[in-house]
Amino acid sequence: EPEVTQTPSHQVTQMGQEVILRCVPISNHLYFYWYRQILGQKVEFLVSFYNNEISEKSEIFDDQFSVERPDGSNFTLKIRSTKLEDSAMYFCAINSGGASYNEQFFGPGTRLTVL
Amino acid sequence: AQSVTQLDSHVSVSEGTPVLLRCNYSSSYSPSLFWYVQHPNKGLQLLLKYTSAATLVKGINGFEAEFKKSETSFHLTKPSAHMSDAAEYFCVVSDYGNQFYFGTGTSLTVIP
Repeated sequence: EPEVTQTPSHQVTQMGQEVILRCVPISNHLYFYWYRQILGQKVEFLVSFYNNEISEKSEIFDDQFSVERPDGSNFTLKIRSTKLEDSAMYFCAINSGGASYNEQFFGPGTRLTVL
Repeated sequence: AQSVTQLDSHVSVSEGTPVLLRCNYSSSYSPSLFWYVQHPNKGLQLLLKYTSAATLVKGINGFEAEFKKSETSFHLTKPSAHMSDAAEYFCVVSDYGNQFYFGTGTSLTVIP
């Protein structure tokens, strides 16, 4: 099973600040995803990323959010000017394609707290 | 459009008794279906998946699920609950893997 790590495990920030959440797959993967889970609510899809481009995004993923693979390995989610309602658990997921193209492996998550 | 309904937000069972967590799905395509488990302060762990092969799927930790197309259901079962099964369980439907649609989750409590 592919391994995915996420850093930091917990991020506390002031409202209006920018945060960058990182996802580090242990091996090479093609498809990347970000999801968020507001406390007590269900996991929601944010964005999928394939071949260095956004392939799909939800209505949650507005101009405040951006994703990139700055060095071909790490996959980052940037949130500009954070709001209180951005407080949530953010999960990165990967999909290696091939025979298990429709299986996603999730990282442990980053808990973002906006004060 | 894809969606998932988890019929119970909370299920409580005694240790050693069977577990049933219900899930109904809606999908325009032949769906892939998954069950994930989330223990407190942990990430999402895949329990099992259905991808158009055998309709009865066996997963980790003694869990299994049966895909019933006529009922659009994918209920999760386990013959005998263990204390370590206490967690949040998510049913997920996927359309060709690009996006996962999560249910609202079922919190399982196991009573000693």
